[in-house]
Amino acid sequence: GENVEQHPSTLSVQEGDSAVIKCTYSDSASNYFPWYKQELGKGPQLIIDIRSNVGEKKDQRIAVTLNKTAKHFSLHITETQPEDSAVYFCAASKGAAGNKLTFGGGTRVLVKP
Amino acid sequence: KAGVTQTPRYLIKTRGQQVTLSCSPISGHRSVSWYQQTPGQGLQFLFEYFSETQRNKGNFPGRFSGRQFSNSRSEMNVSTLELGDSALYLCASSLGTGNTEAFFGQGTRLTVV
Repeated sequence: GENVEQHPSTLSVQEGDSAVIKCTYSDSASNYFPWYKQELGKGPQLIIDIRSNVGEKKDQRIAVTLNKTAKHFSLHITETQPEDSAVYFCAASKGAAGNKLTFGGGTRVLVKP
Repeated sequence: KAGVTQTPRYLIKTRGQQVTLSCSPISGHRSVSWYQQTPGQGLQFLFEYFSETQRNKGNFPGRFSGRQFSNSRSEMNVSTLELGDSALYLCASSLGTGNTEAFFGQGTRLTVV
């Protein structure tokens, strides 16, 4: 089955700096890659996603890139703010086969003021 | 538009008992997926229901089961509880057709003592 690896497991950045989280996946049939942010005591919140027919997608300070050949995708957060502190998860799925998401292990991001 | 609602938020059960958790998806969503989140194993897929049928299943023992009703609300049941079943159980709601975004509820925190 699909396996998703996520790095780093923890990331500490200064407010205003950029943060980058990387994920690799194993199943070349995966075609949908969402990113979730989870704050303490809450469920994961979808922040951005990308489909396999697109190489990059941006939404304000957040961007995601996808390299299908290398089977990796990355989340970029620019101009980080203290409220960006949370655990971030990448995931992969083969959408045509239903909504079964395989998650990476998570990255705990700490933005220091 | 109301989000995904999970009840109860917290549960404490004794080993050997059984438990039923409930999830009400976003209005109009026909797919409900269930995930188990633990510090050691991360987010793991349990199963997905679409139009009252189980469409996908993860690698969990048969003690974990679920169902979906005609109004798309879903329940999951865990029988013969073990200490290792202590976790945050999350459900995710989506339209269910192809690569569609999945939105999570806040989860049910189950503690088995």
